[in-house]
Amino acid sequence: EPEVTQTPSHQVTQMGQEVILRCVPISNHLYFYWYRQILGQKVEFLVSFYNNEISEKSEIFDDQFSVERPDGSNFTLKIRSTKLEDSAMYFCAISGGVQLSYEQYFGPGTRLTVT
Amino acid sequence: EDQVTQSPEALRLQEGESSSLNCSYTVSGLRGLFWYRQDPGKGPEFLFTLYSAGEEKEKERLKATLTKKESFLHITAPKPEDSATYLCAVQGGDDKIIFGKGTRLHILP
Repeated sequence: EPEVTQTPSHQVTQMGQEVILRCVPISNHLYFYWYRQILGQKVEFLVSFYNNEISEKSEIFDDQFSVERPDGSNFTLKIRSTKLEDSAMYFCAISGGVQLSYEQYFGPGTRLTVT
Repeated sequence: EDQVTQSPEALRLQEGESSSLNCSYTVSGLRGLFWYRQDPGKGPEFLFTLYSAGEEKEKERLKATLTKKESFLHITAPKPEDSATYLCAVQGGDDKIIFGKGTRLHILP
């Protein structure tokens, strides 16, 4: 099973600050995703990224959010001007590996707390 | 609108007591239906992908089945370590993945 690491595991930030969440897939995959899960709620799709550009995004993924893969390995989610309601677990996922399958493999998540 | 509904919300079983979890879905152009296991504070752990009605997959005590409108996750003779939240998700023609709210499964020893 492909491995995905995420850093940091927990990020505490003040309202209005910018945060960058990082995802490092251990193996080569084609598709990258970000999801969030507010405590006690369902996992929500934010954005998918393929061939160095966004392929799909949800209504949640507005101008406050951006993604990039700056060095060809790390995949980052930037949240500008954080709000209290941005507090959630953020998961990175990958798919489209060697067998080009649709299965998505998730990282352990970053817990974002906005105070 | 694409939608995924899981039932029941929570299920408590005795060790060894088999049961099934349901996932009903509506989606345009199903590309895949996924089952995940999620432990508290962790990321979803991939279990199965089902692509077409009639397909079945098994892994240890778990078996997933798919029809045109729903999927079942059957758990046979569960053990306490099977306790977790089980998530169902669908991917439609627009590539977005939609998750259900999950079923919290608790297996009593």
